[in-house]
Amino acid sequence: DTAVSQTPKYLVTQMGNDKSIKCEQNLGHDTMYWYKQDSKKFLKIMFSYNNKELIINETVPNRFSPKSPDKAHLNLHINSLELGDSAVYFCASSLGQGKSPLHFGNGTRLTVT
Amino acid sequence: RKEVEQDPGPFNVPEGATVAFNCTYSNSASQSFFWYRQDCRKEPKLLMSVYSSGNEDGRFTAQLNRASQYISLLIRDSKLSDSATYLCVVNGFFSGGYNKLIFGAGTRLAVHP
Repeated sequence: DTAVSQTPKYLVTQMGNDKSIKCEQNLGHDTMYWYKQDSKKFLKIMFSYNNKELIINETVPNRFSPKSPDKAHLNLHINSLELGDSAVYFCASSLGQGKSPLHFGNGTRLTVT
Repeated sequence: RKEVEQDPGPFNVPEGATVAFNCTYSNSASQSFFWYRQDCRKEPKLLMSVYSSGNEDGRFTAQLNRASQYISLLIRDSKLSDSATYLCVVNGFFSGGYNKLIFGAGTRLAVHP
């Protein structure tokens, strides 16, 4: 029944590793997002996909590569992880782009050591 | 000036109190406004949308003042369970004319017995 689900919930890894986070929504939404919430709790958009097309890339390092195989899935792959990447990453979805309320997944807490 | 600004708080209030939060936004063209609630170590959840004429949902009242570019959230008869961080969300614009939802840093509310 989960509307937006992301895995894993926790990710602990070492600097330099590559990791992926997966996200799926069953709400029938056409737009999906990745947000990053840092230690100061500030929630910032990273990417937005509408109907599998990338429409927002908010000056994120190219070590971060989103992939949307279909409208219901948006994965995030991170290469060469750095200490500063430690944060909570939230996937979200909405109907339409940028004006409708977002529905969030329960977050992936990434810790880079 | 930040795109969306909130007083971080914390607001410490006794049960039964009335508390109000304000949020200012910088872009006069913004059209969509929301309040989200985020509990500790959880994902943000939509509390209510904010409509031009103001709207109420039980103990919660939201208002929009376009002239002064702020939205407000009023909570009446506070409950212990209202303790959370309240996030102000406003739509902004990305290059290319795309919309994006911008989150404020949040206002922390602590309701005590």
